[in-house]
Amino acid sequence: NAGVMQNPRHLVRRRGQEARLRCSPMKGHSHVYWYRQLPEEGLKFMVYLQKENIIDESGMPKERFSAEFPKEGPSILRIQQVVRGDSAAYFCASSPPREWGTDTQYFGPGTRLTVL
Amino acid sequence: KQEVTQIPAALSVPEGENLVLNCSFTDSAIYNLQWFRQDPGKGLTSLLLIQSSQREQTSGRLNASLDKSSGRSTLYIAASQPGDSATYLCAGINTNAGKSTFGDGTTLTVKP
Repeated sequence: NAGVMQNPRHLVRRRGQEARLRCSPMKGHSHVYWYRQLPEEGLKFMVYLQKENIIDESGMPKERFSAEFPKEGPSILRIQQVVRGDSAAYFCASSPPREWGTDTQYFGPGTRLTVL
Repeated sequence: KQEVTQIPAALSVPEGENLVLNCSFTDSAIYNLQWFRQDPGKGLTSLLLIQSSQREQTSGRLNASLDKSSGRSTLYIAASQPGDSATYLCAGINTNAGKSTFGDGTTLTVKP
């Protein structure tokens, strides 16, 4: 069973461009979480999604950021009109359905976004 | 609002020492407590998950405890090795809300 996959691993964008970060959860996992780690800081929660639903987006900036987890395909974190302050490592985690009896979150390797 | 604090921020020990990392949280609604390891420039590796009904978990040289009444968790590392050098993060998980709140981590250096 492959782990949580994220791509790209490294992404460079110029100010004003769009960044798309992809996350494929572990097989069978129905919950996806996105976190951001700014340089020299801890991880901060951004958004929690289940298939086709946003459950909690309290950590998402109000503008330019959006996330989706479609019925088919990976979860996407989209950042429009990137600014230098968006440079960070973005981590995705997934967890299984509640009925599996465990709430462990499994993290992907992260996408390191650099905005020039 | 959940806040998670880790003390100390950095720790340096000689090889072979036993050590304890501390994590405290403010919200008793925490359901699970998870410890992670992060190597520089890398992702997170889950070490131990303590469910709310449990008091501790053990894996090899690692032992994690959870005391919800005092809002504390500890990670005990026995017989430390240079390969243990990394940043250790604890995260409080509110399973109803789904999200984890992370501490800022303790950066451990084990000297040969």
